[in-house]
Amino acid sequence: AQSVTQLDSHVSVSEGTPVLLRCNYSSSYSPSLFWYVQHPNKGLQLLLKYTSAATLVKGINGFEAEFKKSETSFHLTKPSAHMSDAAEYFCVVSELKTSYDKVIFGPGTSLSVIP
Amino acid sequence: DTGVSQDPRHKITKRGQNVTFRCDPISEHNRLYWYRQTLGQGPEFLTYFQNEAQLEKSRLLSDRFSAERPKGSFSTLEIQRTEQGDSAMYLCASSHYTRKGAEAFFGQGTRLTVV
Repeated sequence: AQSVTQLDSHVSVSEGTPVLLRCNYSSSYSPSLFWYVQHPNKGLQLLLKYTSAATLVKGINGFEAEFKKSETSFHLTKPSAHMSDAAEYFCVVSELKTSYDKVIFGPGTSLSVIP
Repeated sequence: DTGVSQDPRHKITKRGQNVTFRCDPISEHNRLYWYRQTLGQGPEFLTYFQNEAQLEKSRLLSDRFSAERPKGSFSTLEIQRTEQGDSAMYLCASSHYTRKGAEAFFGQGTRLTVV
């Protein structure tokens, strides 16, 4: 069975400082991994995805994530936080299983950015 | 706008009433997902379709819930005899399955409040 753990329910950073949002997963198969962002009263938006190509994935708005199979991790980083980055972030695993896959969300990490 | 659209955006209903939500996916997408998201939680998988076939249903989907995608295009999610515990955001997503890890695009959701 697949599962996703986001180690921090809430992260607070100062504007201009680095962001690290942690994600660990378990999967019986070779998974695809995603990060989604959800701003208040907005739909979920894809930040980036890993699908067995390069292990370092670059996404929108300066975010990137590194897939580390040995650590079963897919942490999200950004060198310098911006006020507009304040939102809820979800790590997501999609597992190819026979002829279909299923998308499982982690519990989310709320990011606050302090001016 | 050619994204995923959901209708209505908000629904307030009395306990015991039936409600139906509609999702229009991106037109070329053959996969359609329904999720439920409660306050402070990540979206939870409910069910998904490939074309008109409902391939999986979560245990969260009690007998009061039914979903259809009759022509492989739009989908409806009906909740019968609503309960206060059904209050949540109901999210629809779609993707195009031709390769592993295809991105799911989300609608803005239908917020259900059962009073």
